[in-house]
Amino acid sequence: EIVLTQSPGTLSLSPGERATLSCRASQSISSSYLAWYQQKRGQAPRLLIYGASSRATGIPDRFSGSGSGTDFTLTISRLEPEDFAVYYCQQYGSSPKYTFGQGTKLEIK
Amino acid sequence: QVQLQESGPGLVKPSETLSLTCTVSGDSINNYYWSWLRQPPGKGLEWIGYIYYSGTTNYNPSLKSRVTISVDTSKNQFSLKLSSVTAADTAVYYCARLVSGVGYFDYWGQGTLVTVSS
Repeated sequence: EIVLTQSPGTLSLSPGERATLSCRASQSISSSYLAWYQQKRGQAPRLLIYGASSRATGIPDRFSGSGSGTDFTLTISRLEPEDFAVYYCQQYGSSPKYTFGQGTKLEIK
Repeated sequence: QVQLQESGPGLVKPSETLSLTCTVSGDSINNYYWSWLRQPPGKGLEWIGYIYYSGTTNYNPSLKSRVTISVDTSKNQFSLKLSSVTAADTAVYYCARLVSGVGYFDYWGQGTLVTVSS
């Protein structure tokens, strides 16, 4: 089973700042199979990034994804108030086919 | 715009079977893969399994012995049954559309909380 470890667990920043979230896989995965989601309290996750770096429909360009192999990053260039949420990375692998990281909580400083 | 809506009992007794249905609107259920996922209160996301409109399924090995996912294309619905539930199965259950081949979930239902308690 591929384990995804996200860091930090909590990130405290102010609106307008840059956020960098990390997702590390226990073994190498294809960048085609790495996605990022945003989840606000009481809501379902929303797809942000797929294929490690492609933005989903309607996602602002302040969100970007990068990485390959075992290390992936979600960057939010300039935080807006609505960006404070929990972020999950997710991979498509062998068994179980789909696993998620434990999440990074992005909170207002 | 594709929309998914979960429905089913919010309370299930221990050892009984949890049953949920997901109704898809805005697009046909045909030609896509559909999944169930869950999230225990305050915790992360777990994939339960998927079904293709043809009936092909794949389940998380950790739940495989207790899970059945089925599809009703005439109603544009798919369903989840989880047997022999315990308190550890208390969670928000989500249905979602799975983009096959690259394995991400692009449309999600709002989720439904299922509590296992006597």
